[in-house]
Amino acid sequence: AQKVTQAQTEISVVEKEDVTLDCVYETRDTTYYLFWYKQPPSGELVFLIRRNSFDEQNEISGRYSWNFQKSTSSFNFTITASQVVDSAVYFCALSGRTNAGKSTFGDGTTLTVKP
Amino acid sequence: DTAVSQTPKYLVTQMGNDKSIKCEQNLGHDTMYWYKQDSKKFLKIMFSYNNKELIINETVPNRFSPKSPDKAHLNLHINSLELGDSAVYFCASSQGRGPFTDTQYFGPGTRLTVL
Repeated sequence: AQKVTQAQTEISVVEKEDVTLDCVYETRDTTYYLFWYKQPPSGELVFLIRRNSFDEQNEISGRYSWNFQKSTSSFNFTITASQVVDSAVYFCALSGRTNAGKSTFGDGTTLTVKP
Repeated sequence: DTAVSQTPKYLVTQMGNDKSIKCEQNLGHDTMYWYKQDSKKFLKIMFSYNNKELIINETVPNRFSPKSPDKAHLNLHINSLELGDSAVYFCASSQGRGPFTDTQYFGPGTRLTVL
C-alpha cells in the first residue's frame, strides 16, 4: 500500500513570505516517483515536478524548490518570496511499481497568499 | 493547441439521467486516465487505458463506463446519475504505460452537477 500525507490543510501567508508545504509518503517500493501538482482557482491541474526515488538532489526552479529526504520519507516544497499568484491548492503524489502503477495523491494543501 | 481537452466544461443534469464526458489528447501519449475530484478537493483515480486496453479499474459503481475508441480518446459515460456523482472529473494522459514513471498531463476538468 502507498500513502501520501499532506498534514497542512490550509496555509495563509503574506506576500513575500517564504512558505514550505510538507509532504510525507509511505511505500514499500524501493523504486518510486514523487510529484507535485498545482491547482489554481481556475481549476486546472498543473504539473510542477517529478522526482524518482534514486535522486535525492534538491531542485530549484525560480522561486520554487523541493527537498527530497528518503530518511524521513518527505518531499517538501518551498516557495520563496511568495506572490498572490501562488495561491492555489498544491498536491503531492506518489507512484510505486507494486501499486499497479497507480498514483496516490495527498489531500492537498490550500495556500492563500495575501497582498 | 490544447494538449488534453475535455467537453463539456460544465454539465448540469437531473438525477437519473445518462451523460457522457469526452476527452481527447494530442500529445501522442499511450495512456489516458479519469480522475474524480470531490467537493473537498480529494483526487481519486477511476480508470486508466493504455492503447485502448483497460489497465486500471478502481472500485467505482458500474454505472460508470469508460470507452476508448482509440488511444487519443477516452470518454466517460455515466448511467442513472446520482447526487453523489457531483464532482469535477479530470482526464489525464501520460507517455508510457502508467503513472508509475510518467508525468500525467491533465485536462481542464468537467464540473458535473447532479440536481
